Amino acid sequence: DIQMTQSPSTLSASVGDRVTITCRASQSISSWLAWYQQKPGKAPKLLIYKASSLESGVPSRFSGSGSGTEFTLTISSLQPDDFATYYCQQYNSYTWTFGQGTKVEIK
Amino acid sequence: QVQLVQSGAEVKKPGASVKVSCKASGYTFTSYGISWVRQAPGQGLEWMGWISAYNGNTNYAQKLQGRVTMTTDTSTSTAYMELRSLRSDDTAVYYCARDRGISGAFDIWGQGTMVTVSS
Repeated sequence: DIQMTQSPSTLSASVGDRVTITCRASQSISSWLAWYQQKPGKAPKLLIYKASSLESGVPSRFSGSGSGTEFTLTISSLQPDDFATYYCQQYNSYTWTFGQGTKVEIK
Repeated sequence: QVQLVQSGAEVKKPGASVKVSCKASGYTFTSYGISWVRQAPGQGLEWMGWISAYNGNTNYAQKLQGRVTMTTDTSTSTAYMELRSLRSDDTAVYYCARDRGISGAFDIWGQGTMVTVSS
């Protein structure tokens, strides 16, 4: 099975900061990677698919990059609404795996 | 609008079974797959399995093989997830999510169903 490792597990940042979260796959997944945002008590929300495609309606301050085994999610200028937990997810042959999550906290 | 609406919270005893439903609306049900994802209290997301609403093909996470069954009823645009031989560590919020297709991303999620396993 493909394992996904996110770093860091927790990130403390201030409004306006540039934030980067990394996700590593245990083997190449090409660009089959998505990023989700989850707030307490809510279902996850799709932000990025196919590693770098922005989901409709998602603010442009969110961006994704990478291919193969190394991926990043960047928030260019952190907003109050962005404090949440972020998950990466890989897709391979009708099998999916999530990273363990990165909690973005207020500094 | 496009949405997935799940059944309500359940409380079960260890060893029992639970069946959670997920009713789709606002799109052609058979054009997409449905995955089930669970989240134990304070923990991350765990993919449980996938079903094609087109032909009923399934793929389950290895750790749940033999305990989970996913089905669909195309006449009511509803997907079901049944988990058997429940244990305390099955206590979690269970989500259904629409699989967009080739990209593998889950673009629509249900609201979640809390399943509590307790004696």
